[in-house]
Amino acid sequence: AQTVTQSQPEMSVQEAETVTLSCTYDTSESDYYLFWYKQPPSRQMILVIRQEAYKQQNATENRFSVNFQKAAKSFSLKISDSQLGDAAMYFCAYTGRSGAGSYQLTFGKGTKLSVIP
Amino acid sequence: NAGVTQTPKFQVLKTGQSMTLQCAQDMNHEYMSWYRQDPGMGLRLIHYSVGAGITDQGEVPNGYNVSRSTTEDFPLRLLSAAPSQTSVYFCASSYSGQPYNEQFFGPGTRLTVL
Repeated sequence: AQTVTQSQPEMSVQEAETVTLSCTYDTSESDYYLFWYKQPPSRQMILVIRQEAYKQQNATENRFSVNFQKAAKSFSLKISDSQLGDAAMYFCAYTGRSGAGSYQLTFGKGTKLSVIP
Repeated sequence: NAGVTQTPKFQVLKTGQSMTLQCAQDMNHEYMSWYRQDPGMGLRLIHYSVGAGITDQGEVPNGYNVSRSTTEDFPLRLLSAAPSQTSVYFCASSYSGQPYNEQFFGPGTRLTVL
């Protein structure tokens, strides 16, 4: 079974600074998808960014970018120019592209990010 | 579009009671799923459906039943509630029969079992 590990339960960053959240995963598949979801205090889960494993290029979405290291099975999220609204729980997630595993999304335990004004 | 809606938002049950958590989406999504979120545990998949009439178990299915009679609705049933089922429950949906597309989540239901 696939596992997703987020080793940083909590992190903090100064407003306007850059922060990187770590995620590692374990899989025997060669093709899969990775995600970062954000959960603010409102509890609403929101997709931040998605990476397809067969794509070499790291995904970017405005101030959010990833560092995808397939061989190391690492998928970190970088938030640039941090804003107060970035304060939230961030979840890393994995799903396979084919087979039985492609129907299930496996989440890490989350990293709580605080933004200091 | 209302997106993914869940009712109720909060619920308190006594041990042994039954109830149904409702989930509906108006985006014509084929894939729907239920997760539970416990402190320090992230989200764990309970059951999922890849289309009307098709359901399957996720990581933590025990104590829960689901059915999918229409594309829009995917209710989660607790037949005999236990304190271990105290959690926040999220319903989600995505286009196509698989979750590698963006999943849209409902606002969640906070369930307490006494």
